[in-house]
Amino acid sequence: QVQLQESGPGLVKPSETLSLTCTVSYGSVNSGYNYWTWIRQPPGKGLEWIGYIYYSGSSNYNPSLKSRVTMSVDTSKNQFSLRLSSVSAADTAVYFCARGHPDNIYRDKPETPFDSWGQGTLVTVSS
Amino acid sequence: DIQMTQSPSSVSASVGDRVTITCRASHGLNGWLAWYQQKPGKAPELLIYAASSLQTGVPSRFSGGTSGTDFTLTISNVQPEDFATYFCQQAQSFPLTFGGGTRLEIK
Repeated sequence: QVQLQESGPGLVKPSETLSLTCTVSYGSVNSGYNYWTWIRQPPGKGLEWIGYIYYSGSSNYNPSLKSRVTMSVDTSKNQFSLRLSSVSAADTAVYFCARGHPDNIYRDKPETPFDSWGQGTLVTVSS
Repeated sequence: DIQMTQSPSSVSASVGDRVTITCRASHGLNGWLAWYQQKPGKAPELLIYAASSLQTGVPSRFSGGTSGTDFTLTISNVQPEDFATYFCQQAQSFPLTFGGGTRLEIK
């Protein structure tokens, strides 16, 4: 059973860049048809899809965040990462990394639900 | 973007009750809908994918269905561990979007 674990600073200053890493265990970021994803949830609110990165480096981001988001994958460390620039208080949230569902029905479909999630990490934007 | 509307926003139930939660999409989803359960301080857990497929390890009292343009999550024989918040998510097109959530509370 694949396991994911987020890591990174819990406090970021306004206008700076938020950087998080997700380490994958009992699985490989090199696995085909796995879409490695970031999702966030402001305190007490709903879920927002940020985007995904594929092992090849291809990606897709939420248009609402696209100008500020960069995702990358490091196959040597079995990790993938999120960078969100020019943050404000509105970016305060629990950030989750997740895996796109590996079922064969999603083999040629990057739009997936998420069957494995990290525990989440709270990032607060404040000076 | 596809807007996902869940109803009700909260529902009260007793252990043993049957509960149904509804999710409506602003555009057709071709069945690409998932349901999650989230408990406080935890990550969401996938219950149902592709509208009606039960995720491995999820109890069979959870079921997903379709009624016209609406999608439903039914919990038959609610158990104490089921009191949580439930979200739907569309997997039809990018950006992927979630419903606002339904809180299942103890009556």
